[in-house]
Amino acid sequence: GAGVSQSPRYKVTKRGQDVALRCDPISGHVSLYWYRQALGQGPEFLTYFNYEAQQDKSGLPNDRFSAERPEGSISTLTIQRTEQRDSAMYRCASSPMTGGNEQYFGPGTRLTVT
Amino acid sequence: QQQVKQSPQSLIVQKGGISIINCAYENTAFDYFPWYQQFPGKGPALLIAIRPDVSEKKEGRFTISFNKSAKQFSLHIMDSQPGDSATYFCAASMKGAQKLVFGQGTRLTINP
Repeated sequence: GAGVSQSPRYKVTKRGQDVALRCDPISGHVSLYWYRQALGQGPEFLTYFNYEAQQDKSGLPNDRFSAERPEGSISTLTIQRTEQRDSAMYRCASSPMTGGNEQYFGPGTRLTVT
Repeated sequence: QQQVKQSPQSLIVQKGGISIINCAYENTAFDYFPWYQQFPGKGPALLIAIRPDVSEKKEGRFTISFNKSAKQFSLHIMDSQPGDSATYFCAASMKGAQKLVFGQGTRLTINP
């Protein structure tokens, strides 16, 4: 079956612009997670949703970062007024149940801020 | 604060040998410990996972050994193959918290 998909796969933007990253989880998965992965490092948690409710946003670096999942399926991570330090791989993962730990990752969006 | 420490950073093993990657954690509230395998250009893929009520879990050539008292767990890859060459991440999560805390990763190379 289809896995987690993310779009765009690559995004180059100028400093100060807003960007929106999209995640389409595995069909039927109720939990959705956003992580950020620096080169050569493990993914770092940003936020997660159970259905449409944002359960934990403690990993969002600052208020320029926000995420939504209005219908409990597709999610969007938005970064406003991008800065060069925002350049990274942004990964989405989904899980079939709330409270479950098995997370399945997508291919990621490589964001480069120039 | 790094809650999961992984070693070594890189590892080279001959084909047919045993690859061993270690992780140590600090938070005793962690109750789920997965290992992920990541190939270049791909997302991390769940490989095997363990909970602290067992000391070992084996799936094919992959085994997790868990030492609760030492707060350590390790991944063993038996009969390592060139196709196992990838970056491996350990992780941990707490009951009810769901988010995963990852180690720094180990780049494994299996020489033919």
